[in-house]
Amino acid sequence: DSGVTQTPKHLITATGQRVTLRCSPRSGDLSVYWYQQSLDQGLQFLIQYYNGEERAKGNILERFSAQQFPDLHSELNLSSLELGDSALYFCASSARQTGRSADTQYFGPGTRLTVL
Amino acid sequence: QQQVKQSPQSLIVQKGGISIINCAYENTAFDYFPWYQQFPGKGPALLIAIRPDVSEKKEGRFTISFNKSAKQFSLHIMDSQPGDSATYFCAASMNTGFQKLVFGTGTRLLVSP
Repeated sequence: DSGVTQTPKHLITATGQRVTLRCSPRSGDLSVYWYQQSLDQGLQFLIQYYNGEERAKGNILERFSAQQFPDLHSELNLSSLELGDSALYFCASSARQTGRSADTQYFGPGTRLTVL
Repeated sequence: QQQVKQSPQSLIVQKGGISIINCAYENTAFDYFPWYQQFPGKGPALLIAIRPDVSEKKEGRFTISFNKSAKQFSLHIMDSQPGDSATYFCAASMNTGFQKLVFGTGTRLLVSP
């Protein structure tokens, strides 16, 4: 158990809908990362937050957004869903954002999104 | 330049054998190279990681070999066990503070009894 929790575990929805995925980082971790895992694209970095502020953006669609709250949990919002958005969405957390060394990222169990 | 190329895509090894997975990168700004293990239905879990200042790191049956000049690194699993059957991902990140991981495409390992 990594200590990172994600809800829900599974989500089935229809095209055009909007969903929210939730992540609680390990206790004390300030950085949260979101990744998408699909069969054709592999594991792709979406976005990073550090202590409530957005720090880095990757291959995140404009229809997707995220935020990190004062209690450090994070939510990933996916809107106008398309069939191609079906994937596993992972949240990871690390202790700090540092310029000296990379910290280990601990991954949650993921949310499996199915868009019908 | 941000890619990490991983091979093979799949691997079958006999119990007790050595599993070897290779990765290559282009971006010389990468300076942290972790390997993650993922079981079906689970999130990736850190297995072992290396930085470019050493050429090898060993933890139990798992060894990373790192060749900075060739921009390649590999994972060796000694005495492979059926419980090692999983998907393995190499990754890389830069020491910028924005530590997104760039993942390889994954290797599905099957260790036969």
